[in-house]
Amino acid sequence: KNQVEQSPQSLIILEGKNCTLQCNYTVSPFSNLRWYKQDTGRGPVSLTIMTFSENTKSNGRYTATLDADTKQSSLHITASQLSDSASYICVAETSGTYKYIFGTGTRLKVLA
Amino acid sequence: ETGVTQSPTHLIKTRGQQVTLRCSSQSGHNTVSWYQQALGQGPQFIFQYYREEENGRGNFPPRFSGLQFPNYSSELNVNALELDDSALYLCASSFFGGLRTEAFFGQGTRLTVV
Repeated sequence: KNQVEQSPQSLIILEGKNCTLQCNYTVSPFSNLRWYKQDTGRGPVSLTIMTFSENTKSNGRYTATLDADTKQSSLHITASQLSDSASYICVAETSGTYKYIFGTGTRLKVLA
Repeated sequence: ETGVTQSPTHLIKTRGQQVTLRCSSQSGHNTVSWYQQALGQGPQFIFQYYREEENGRGNFPPRFSGLQFPNYSSELNVNALELDDSALYLCASSFFGGLRTEAFFGQGTRLTVV
């Protein structure tokens, strides 16, 4: 069964601190791994996208890593800001159909 | 802004009614996917349309149906609404045919069934 699991479910950190979110996926055939940021009640916004051959991808303070052998990905946020408070969703894409398998997300709260 | 627009933004319906949600895809995109996101959950794939034909479907009953028009905009229709259909409905626009396709999401339609 195709599925994506994320941890932790929720996280609270202080402004300026770093954090790392985890994603394990079981998707076949696997194509791409994506990270999205979703503000409450809004549509997801893409942060990074990696193919199975890419190990890391950065987007400003966001850095995603991918280990296709262990089927794990992480999203590292550096020097967090209040505006980083959101849900971060890991998405594994199956090849051929462009079907996305979403994780349940990690809800991040950044406090001043 | 992604260029993907959904309407309406909010909707309240009564159990048993029918609803139509709309999505305008981003210019140059030929594929639209629909997702259902219950509160506190990740989006669940409903179906995808490519060149006006259904191109993949998730685990949703037939009362969830869709259309894609020649301009690649799309509709999601849900018949015989149930209370559990209350959710945020997202559409995603993308171009099918590239090696690595970016998908852009609309802001969603919040459907409440009472």
